[in-house]
Amino acid sequence: SQTIHQWPATLVQPVGSPLSLECTVEGTSNPNLYWYRQAAGRGLQLLFYSVGIGQISSEVPQNLSASRPQDRQFILSSKKLLLSDSGFYLCACGTPSQETQYFGPGTRLLVL
Amino acid sequence: KQEVTQIPAALSVPEGENLVLNCSFTDSAIYNLQWFRQDPGKGLTSLLLIQSSQREQTSGRLNASLDKSSGRSTLYIAASQPGDSATYLCAFPLQQSGGYQKVTFGIGTKLQVIP
Repeated sequence: SQTIHQWPATLVQPVGSPLSLECTVEGTSNPNLYWYRQAAGRGLQLLFYSVGIGQISSEVPQNLSASRPQDRQFILSSKKLLLSDSGFYLCACGTPSQETQYFGPGTRLLVL
Repeated sequence: KQEVTQIPAALSVPEGENLVLNCSFTDSAIYNLQWFRQDPGKGLTSLLLIQSSQREQTSGRLNASLDKSSGRSTLYIAASQPGDSATYLCAFPLQQSGGYQKVTFGIGTKLQVIP
């Protein structure tokens, strides 16, 4: 089964600073990759998904962007962080033949 | 648009008690229903998946049921243990025409099992 790595595990950044969160996947090829954000008291919100290298779709307009430079690498970025970007960011993967997504351990981002 | 409600938001029970977590949804035209567990500060772990044609799934001390007509699912935990303490989320994965999966999540029920 798939193993998903995310780093860093925790990040504290000042408002206006850039952001780069990385997600890598092992144990599968050509997966669908997802970025979610989980804010306190709110459900998981899908931010981006990718069905292949260089293919990124955004679910909601926001201050963030995503890239997929390699088959099993997914990066979440921002040029200038906002306070509202604070949250718990989860990377997930799955394939069209699978009925479930597999989640990484997450990155806790605090923007001050 | 699917809307998911989980009640209660938090639950505290003594060890050994049987308990039920509830999930209600508005759109009965679902594909699958899934229950996840999330430990504090961690990712999600899939517990049970019920296909739309099924009514329940069991794994060890866990039993999940699905009633599409009433828009409800329950997660039953037998003989609860302190290690069951976590947040439990119900979710509705739906395959999209673009080959990806879109999942609607509930906010979750935070369970604490007291030794």
